[in-house]
Amino acid sequence: QLQLQDSGPGLLKPSETLSLTCTVSGGSITTSQNYWGWIRQPPGRALEWIGSIYYSENTYYNPSLKSRLTISVDTSKNQFSLKLSSVTAADTAVYYCARHYFPNCDFDSWGQGTLVTVSS
Amino acid sequence: QSALTQPASVSGSPGQSITISCSGGGSDIGAYNYVSWYQQHPGKAPKLMISDVSNRPSGVSNRFSGSKSGNTASLTISGLQAEDEADYYCSSYSTSNTLLFGGGTKLTIL
Repeated sequence: QLQLQDSGPGLLKPSETLSLTCTVSGGSITTSQNYWGWIRQPPGRALEWIGSIYYSENTYYNPSLKSRLTISVDTSKNQFSLKLSSVTAADTAVYYCARHYFPNCDFDSWGQGTLVTVSS
Repeated sequence: QSALTQPASVSGSPGQSITISCSGGGSDIGAYNYVSWYQQHPGKAPKLMISDVSNRPSGVSNRFSGSKSGNTASLTISGLQAEDEADYYCSSYSTSNTLLFGGGTKLTIL
């Protein structure tokens, strides 16, 4: 059964870069048609799609985050990663990684989520 | 792109049926059949309940059904049970290769 495990620092200062990694187990990150996405949810608020990547490194980003965002994949480690630069308090959220079949929005396997807090 | 519009809350009694709406536009819900619905219990990751407007993934109860008319998608839950109390989110593909989520709807079982 496919499992996703996201990991990364839980506390950042404003202007720092948020870095998270999602490790995929129980399946290959290079499986055809599988896209790997990041979604975040500020405390008490709605879900927001951040971006998605295919193992060939084809990426799609949320336009509102694109200027600060990099999503990459490491097929040798069966991992994909998120980097969001120049963070502010508005980036405080639970960050989830998940699998879907772009352009569909059918995220069917999710990581447990990592709370990232941005505070001075 | 703006988020999709959902009612903030709905409620129903056990055994009843409820419908949650998700309003979009001609560049998202109205243009594509890529609409999904998620159930989220407090402190948990979302769970996919409906994909492709009306398809139920394996293991999802047939009490959950989805539909679409024009720019609006809907999730119907029949035979409400206590365990259905949760937040529900819709999602859709939008032009320019972006994905949108709704603002979420809190379902309360009376």
